[in-house]
Amino acid sequence: EAGVTQFPSHSVIEKGQTVTLRCDPISGHDNLYWYRRVMGKEIKFLLHFVKESKQDESGMPNNRFLAERTGGTYSTLKVQPAELEDSGVYFCASSRSYGDGYEQYFGPGTRLTVT
Amino acid sequence: GQSLEQPSEVTAVEGAIVQINCTYQTSGFYGLSWYQQHDGGAPTFLSYNALDGLEETGRFSSFLSRSDSYGYLLLQELQMKDSASYFCAVSNFNKFYFGSGTKLNVKP
Repeated sequence: EAGVTQFPSHSVIEKGQTVTLRCDPISGHDNLYWYRRVMGKEIKFLLHFVKESKQDESGMPNNRFLAERTGGTYSTLKVQPAELEDSGVYFCASSRSYGDGYEQYFGPGTRLTVT
Repeated sequence: GQSLEQPSEVTAVEGAIVQINCTYQTSGFYGLSWYQQHDGGAPTFLSYNALDGLEETGRFSSFLSRSDSYGYLLLQELQMKDSASYFCAVSNFNKFYFGSGTKLNVKP
């Protein structure tokens, strides 16, 4: 079974530019989560999809962040326009079914640097 | 609000036993999970406790006390490959709150 994949692995952009991160969860996993880790700090919850629906997006920092999950498969996280404080590692994770989310499978992350 | 506290760094020697503590304050609680992350890698699931007590999985054990809002991860017979960051995470149904991670350094 293929694991969670994320693209790109690294992205360096200038302040004000747009970046789109992609996550492909494990096939058949209904739950998809986005997290962000700023160096040395906690892995912070951003949002949670169940299939194609946003279940909880209370962790999204502001309206510069937009997440979508087309057809309940892959997900994208767009940052527009990017600010310096958006730098960090963005992780995506998936789990099998609603209510069974405690065992999450994480992707390797996308390291975003905004200069 | 939600907060989880765990030590930032722990050092131990190969073959020893180490305990990584996690205390939490959350508005809702379903369970406590532990994840391991090697440098540059993806966090990987280690264990989950929904009820009080000790769960054992090979060299790793995890403990939870809901009344004390406290848990720990116990690593036995430490190996060099156990050098990594360890995160505790509290789940409130499908929402998760992670700690800042404990960097474990295993020395020969």
